[in-house]
Amino acid sequence: DTGVSQDPRHKITKRGQNVTFRCDPISEHNRLYWYRQTLGQGPEFLTYFQNEAQLEKSRLLSDRFSAERPKGSFSTLEIQRTEQGDSAMYLCASSFMADPDQPQHFGDGTRLSIL
Amino acid sequence: GQQVMQIPQYQHVQEGEDFTTYCNSSTTLSNIQWYKQRPGGHPVFLIQLVKSGEVKKQKRLTFQFGEAKKNSSLHITATQTTDVGTYFCAGNNDMRFGAGTRLTVKP
Repeated sequence: DTGVSQDPRHKITKRGQNVTFRCDPISEHNRLYWYRQTLGQGPEFLTYFQNEAQLEKSRLLSDRFSAERPKGSFSTLEIQRTEQGDSAMYLCASSFMADPDQPQHFGDGTRLSIL
Repeated sequence: GQQVMQIPQYQHVQEGEDFTTYCNSSTTLSNIQWYKQRPGGHPVFLIQLVKSGEVKKQKRLTFQFGEAKKNSSLHITATQTTDVGTYFCAGNNDMRFGAGTRLTVKP
């Protein structure tokens, strides 16, 4: 399977704990995006990378959220000191940078539940 | 920043009826992309529009990009139960998605 893969699929944790999610993009894609989606809403942009560089981070993203893409391939999203409001589906997408922009391919997401 | 608005938020139709969703941006878009998300699934790319006034068709789906490149529409002719899902537009120069239009189809 050469699609975008995310791990884990589900994560249940207690409030205050730290969690880390992993995303493996399509291998030739140099752009990687993180989104958060709650029920009935569209994907909310969090951040994106071009290769290993984090080019944009949403102003809505608190300092508890951090993302990395150290080698320009897989990426991790960490949430520190989780809160109830962090419960959501976290989606990763990847694309190939070109002109015009190329479509994003989404993974199945990681569903986070905060107890 | 860019704000992409979609209307309607929900649409319930009888199978065989037509369906249209509209996407409006407060700023001019370089391109617009449409995605479909089935219940329990992830967004799947449908199409990208780049040129002013562009119209593209995919079987029963017709996509339009406005002349001013600030709005777009998706029209489905003779809906089927397989069309159920939420349709999102995204102005790709800013990676912001609209809230989506959720389509339900009664057989």
